[in-house]
Amino acid sequence: NAGVTQTPKFQVLKTGQSMTLQCAQDMNHNSMYWYRQDPGMGLRLIYYSASEGTTDKGEVPNGYNVSRLNKREFSLRLESAAPSQTSVYFCASSVEETQYFGPGTRLLVL
Amino acid sequence: QQQVKQSPQSLIVQKGGISIINCAYENTAFDYFPWYQQFPGKGPALLIAIRPDVSEKKEGRFTISFNKSAKQFSLHIMDSQPGDSATYFCAARFQDDKIIFGKGTRLHILP
Repeated sequence: NAGVTQTPKFQVLKTGQSMTLQCAQDMNHNSMYWYRQDPGMGLRLIYYSASEGTTDKGEVPNGYNVSRLNKREFSLRLESAAPSQTSVYFCASSVEETQYFGPGTRLLVL
Repeated sequence: QQQVKQSPQSLIVQKGGISIINCAYENTAFDYFPWYQQFPGKGPALLIAIRPDVSEKKEGRFTISFNKSAKQFSLHIMDSQPGDSATYFCAARFQDDKIIFGKGTRLHILP
């Protein structure tokens, strides 16, 4: 039982490049989330998905898109990366009010 | 109205002392108040949580105190240990499963 897994662990992009952050959970949870964590800013919700086939914007969705591919997988896409998107990205899934977080993806945009 | 305000930003406590982190909220629609603990290089993990109909919850050395009328809640860590050194986030949950996090408190316990 791996819990929530994220790939890649670390990525460097140039401004304007695109990439997809992958997230998968093996706990059969309905709800999944993408957060970004920046120093002094806490965790800010980018997008979330209450169930397979549904997605909704969070606090900071601009510049991102998401896909809930199936119940297990929830991906986050940066179409044209900007330096302001340099951050640590966490995926989470939840059941009965508890959120379970992945190990994070550290993204640097030059 | 969706904010959760957390203080202090950082905290240094002697080993064996009491660590106290405070949070305040505005939105009365929140129905669940968890605290998450995060070690460097790791994702946050649930530490302890409370519902607004309870004034206090204790789990081992960790206690949440909740004041519904003041819209405030706090985490107390008794007999603080170096292994408790981490970043702590308070949070509040809406009924639709969205969680709003505070900005975090970096706690350092001196050996």
